[in-house]
Amino acid sequence: AQSVSQHNHHVILSEAASLELGCNYSYGGTVNLFWYVQYPGQHLQLLLKYFSGDPLVKGIKGFEAEFIKSKFSFNLRKPSVQWSDTAEYFCAVSFSGGYNKLIFGAGTRLAVHP
Amino acid sequence: EAGVAQSPRYKIIEKRQSVAFWCNPISGHATLYWYQQILGQGPKLLIQFQNNGVVDDSQLPKDRFSAERLKGVDSTLKIQPAKLEDSAVYLCASTPPKNTGELFFGEGSRLTVL
Repeated sequence: AQSVSQHNHHVILSEAASLELGCNYSYGGTVNLFWYVQYPGQHLQLLLKYFSGDPLVKGIKGFEAEFIKSKFSFNLRKPSVQWSDTAEYFCAVSFSGGYNKLIFGAGTRLAVHP
Repeated sequence: EAGVAQSPRYKIIEKRQSVAFWCNPISGHATLYWYQQILGQGPKLLIQFQNNGVVDDSQLPKDRFSAERLKGVDSTLKIQPAKLEDSAVYLCASTPPKNTGELFFGEGSRLTVL
């Protein structure tokens, strides 16, 4: 069965530190890849997505992610985090023929200290 | 543009009782999803509607969960009878007809079963 793994459940950083959150999926076919973010008290919202083309995609608020097909990975990065990036981050994948059914990872809770 | 509306936001019931959650998607969004998010896990798809037809309900525990989307607009998710393990946040999401792959989520309905 298709699955999504996020390597870190909790990450604590100081402001200005660099961030990289790992995401791997299990499926050999065509995939669409997403990162969603949930800020405290808010709903899930899209951070960035990859369908095709340039494997380095840029999203909102300075986030970017790189799709590495050979590694089945879609890691999220930000060069310098801010306190306002404190949130839970979910990697999600939809598979070809899956009617846009999203399979989510377990999430990574990020806390950024000033 | 109004977002996905869900109610109630919070519900506490005892096991074996019943509960219903309501969702009104963004106007014009043809596809509607119900996800279950248990604490510490990522959202898991329960059921997906395309207009008023079911596309995928493979992970819906049909012995106790039911959902409908009459008239292809708003939707109701029911649990009867509830079990302790049903404690979770129930998320509703929708996507427009020209699907970009992005799901628009509501704020969720948090269920606690005692």
